[in-house]
Amino acid sequence: SQQGEEDPQALSIQEGENATMNCSYKTSINNLQWYRQNSGRGLVHLILIRSNEREKHSGRLRVTLDTSKKSSSLLITASRAADTASYFCATDAEKGGSEKLVFGKGTKLTVNP
Amino acid sequence: GAVVSQHPSRVICKSGTSVKIECRSLDFQATTMFWYRQFPKQSLMLMATSNEGSKATYEQGVEKDKFLINHASLTLSTLTVTSAHPEDSSFYICSAPRGRSTDTQYFGPGTRLTVL
Repeated sequence: SQQGEEDPQALSIQEGENATMNCSYKTSINNLQWYRQNSGRGLVHLILIRSNEREKHSGRLRVTLDTSKKSSSLLITASRAADTASYFCATDAEKGGSEKLVFGKGTKLTVNP
Repeated sequence: GAVVSQHPSRVICKSGTSVKIECRSLDFQATTMFWYRQFPKQSLMLMATSNEGSKATYEQGVEKDKFLINHASLTLSTLTVTSAHPEDSSFYICSAPRGRSTDTQYFGPGTRLTVL
């Protein structure tokens, strides 16, 4: 079952603006990851944040995690047209030792030049 | 870095035929691989976990006789869509974790299946 729920479902911004996407999940996790997918292509791993971390940065990406609210946000600063893609959060299961990831529904980001 | 490949990238077949999709880990061994299905403009749905040396584990609602999975070696898993129908048309993606955690899971580029 899909655990993560991203919002908004679609986001359209101008180049140079910041883009914020949110993800909520339902069960306890070990970590949460964000992935990017260009249309019709595979997934590219962007960033992983562990359950004991609150914020993480990677280049123009900033991810926050609030385990009390079971939510995460992905901020892309100074967006570029090349950032146009769908972004998904994915969570693992805290218990059971499973390596399975559960993906959210994704946010389709369009950055207009 | 680690790379996972899929072959073919695109396949078009007639209804009733079977299609085999390969997923390979190119520079690491993977005792487990995952197969996902993605419909247009939707998220990835986990179909099954492929286990080297044992049977695949299917998610609820996925027909094991329809989607045959064989984890032939530590670097190869295959998904065979048997007696394909137009409703099986989808984007199929595999992934392989490096090690035992989900920290470093690598995704293939996907296979676009179109059943006429």
